[in-house]
Amino acid sequence: KQEVTQIPAALSVPEGENLVLNCSFTDSAIYNLQWFRQDPGKGLTSLLLIQSSQREQTSGRLNASLDKSSGRSTLYIAASQPGDSATYLCAVGSTGGFKTIFGAGTRLFVKA
Amino acid sequence: AAGVIQSPRHLIKEKRETATLKCYPIPRHDTVYWYQQGPGQDPQFLISFYEKMQSDKGSIPDRFSAQQFSDYHSELNMSSLELGDSALYFCASSLGDGDTQYFGPGTRLTVL
Repeated sequence: KQEVTQIPAALSVPEGENLVLNCSFTDSAIYNLQWFRQDPGKGLTSLLLIQSSQREQTSGRLNASLDKSSGRSTLYIAASQPGDSATYLCAVGSTGGFKTIFGAGTRLFVKA
Repeated sequence: AAGVIQSPRHLIKEKRETATLKCYPIPRHDTVYWYQQGPGQDPQFLISFYEKMQSDKGSIPDRFSAQQFSDYHSELNMSSLELGDSALYFCASSLGDGDTQYFGPGTRLTVL
């Protein structure tokens, strides 16, 4: 049974810092991995999708990496801003991509 | 750009009542996913549909059922509601399996 863990559970950083969020999964037979952002009481916004054959994806200040063999993914946020404050969720897609298991998320607070 | 539409946005029901949640995917998206998110928890995968057929099933109670219609919209039917069913219910859609999932704004269900 796939289990997804995110570390740390919460993180507070000053504005401008670069930071790394971690995601680990127990079953390396994944189809893809997706990073989402969720603001309080709101829906999820997709940030990056990495297919199982890919090693990383980049979008603006965000870079996500995937190491399937070790069951790990990282989300790197460069030059953090107060507007980045949210909960970041990692979601692993099973083979075929129809079943998605989420981690508990990392709650990020960027101080101005 | 068109997004995923969910209705209703808010729903209040009594215990043992039934509820129907609707999801309208992004045009041309053929895959729909349903998730349940309790307070302070990560989204839990309930069920998914691809091309109007159930594609995968997660932790969906037997009291719940869902289907995807010919126009690709989906409905989640919930019967014999319990207090513990109070949660945010998200629908997401994608183009095919394993592609980026786009989430709707959610339906907040409160069971009294």
